[in-house]
Amino acid sequence: DGGITQSPKYLFRKEGQNVTLSCEQNLNHDAMYWYRQDPGQGLRLIYYSQIVNDFQKGDIAEGYSVSREKKESFPLTVTSAQKNPTAFYLCASSIASGGAGYGYTFGSGTRLTVV
Amino acid sequence: GQQLNQSPQSMFIQEGEDVSMNCTSSSIFNTWLWYKQDPGEGPVLLIALYKAGELTSNGRLTAQFGITRKDSFLNISASIPSDVGIYFCAGPPQGGSEKLVFGKGTKLTVNP
Repeated sequence: DGGITQSPKYLFRKEGQNVTLSCEQNLNHDAMYWYRQDPGQGLRLIYYSQIVNDFQKGDIAEGYSVSREKKESFPLTVTSAQKNPTAFYLCASSIASGGAGYGYTFGSGTRLTVV
Repeated sequence: GQQLNQSPQSMFIQEGEDVSMNCTSSSIFNTWLWYKQDPGEGPVLLIALYKAGELTSNGRLTAQFGITRKDSFLNISASIPSDVGIYFCAGPPQGGSEKLVFGKGTKLTVNP
C-alpha cells in the first residue's frame, strides 16, 4: 500500500544535540512538506520541497534544516539552534506543483521531546 | 498572507448530538478541504470541495462550499466517541496553489 512513513514515532533529545527525523513516501509524489504542531497553534510550515534537490523555507525555518536528495525522502534535522524544539512534527506529500488543491497525505507524526 | 479562521476553537458535546463547525477567509478560495486528526496521529482528508455552492456528504459528514467562496461548513450528525479529534479546514490560496493554508482547527470532545 502506498503511504508516507515517519520515524521514529517518539524521539528524545538532549539540549544542544542535533536530531534528524525521517520521512519516506512511496506515493510517487513530487512535493513534500514539514509542519510543526504545538497545542492550540495549528500547523506551521517549516520547509517544503517541490522537486528533488530543491527546497524552500516555510514560516518557521529557523533552527531547522532539510535535504531532498531522493524523490521519496525528505529528512528534517532539528539543530541545537532551535530554542524550543519540543513539539509534534508532521511530514506530508502531494502530487506535482499546483496539485495542493487535491490535498496532502500526512504521515503519522514524530513527537520530539527535549530532556 | 491569507488566513483561514475556524470556529469554534473547541467543542464539548454528548454522544448522539449533531456538530457544526465553520471556516472563513477574507479572500477567495477555489478549493476547500476538511481534515480530521486523531489524537497522536497525522491528519486525514475527509472531504474535498471544488465548486462554489457544492454540498458533499461522506457518511455522517456533510460539508458545503460557501457561495461566496470565502467560507465552508462541516457538519457531523449523530456524533460517536470516535469522532473525537481536531478538524482542520484547508485550501490553496488563489493565485498560488503550491501550498495549502490551514485553519487552526476545531477540537472536538464527545462525552459517552
